[in-house]
Amino acid sequence: QVRLVQSGGEVRKVGASVKVSCKASGYTFGHYGITWVRQAPGQGLLWLGWISGHDGHTIYAPWVQDRVTVTTDTSTTTVYMELRSLRSDDTAVYFCARDLMTGSSPFIDHWGQGTLVTVSS
Amino acid sequence: QSALTQPPSVSGAPGQRVTISCTGSSTSIGAGYDVHWYQQIPGAAPRLLIHNNDNRPSGVPDRFSGSRSGTSASLAITGLQADDEADYYCQSYDSSLGGFYVFGTGTKVVVL
Repeated sequence: QVRLVQSGGEVRKVGASVKVSCKASGYTFGHYGITWVRQAPGQGLLWLGWISGHDGHTIYAPWVQDRVTVTTDTSTTTVYMELRSLRSDDTAVYFCARDLMTGSSPFIDHWGQGTLVTVSS
Repeated sequence: QSALTQPPSVSGAPGQRVTISCTGSSTSIGAGYDVHWYQQIPGAAPRLLIHNNDNRPSGVPDRFSGSRSGTSASLAITGLQADDEADYYCQSYDSSLGGFYVFGTGTKVVVL
């Protein structure tokens, strides 16, 4: 079965960086993309970025594109999301998710368990 | 800066039918982009409920149904059950936002 297992919670200071991993298994890695979504406490879902499992092509949300980098290690089918210059409002649960597009817009069919990133001053 | 607007909450008694609206614009739903729906129990990851406007993945009860018309979409839940109490999010694409995904603001379903 499809599994996305994320790394554990992290605590960082304002201005620092964090790197969250997402180990994918149970499917052909190169046939799907991985997207990253975050959820601040009590808030809704917010998309950060996407990477192709096929060729590593990335697309980032404009509001965070200068601070985020998503990479992939196809040998271990692991995807990484690094967020730099952390601010207190980056405190959130970060989800990796497998996505696909069978129509005119992509959607997520499997989610990781989430990783809480806490940014303190 | 969500481009899809949902009501903050809807409520219904067990067995009733509730609907959740998702309002976009001419650059998102109105442009013909497919709408998808997710259910999120507090403390858990979201779960895909409806994809491509009106398609249910295997395992999702047929009490859940989706539709799209014009610049809006809707999720209907019939035969409301206690474990339907959760947050629900719509999601699509908006060509004006320069990104890949746009989520709705989220709706809390309360079972009375």
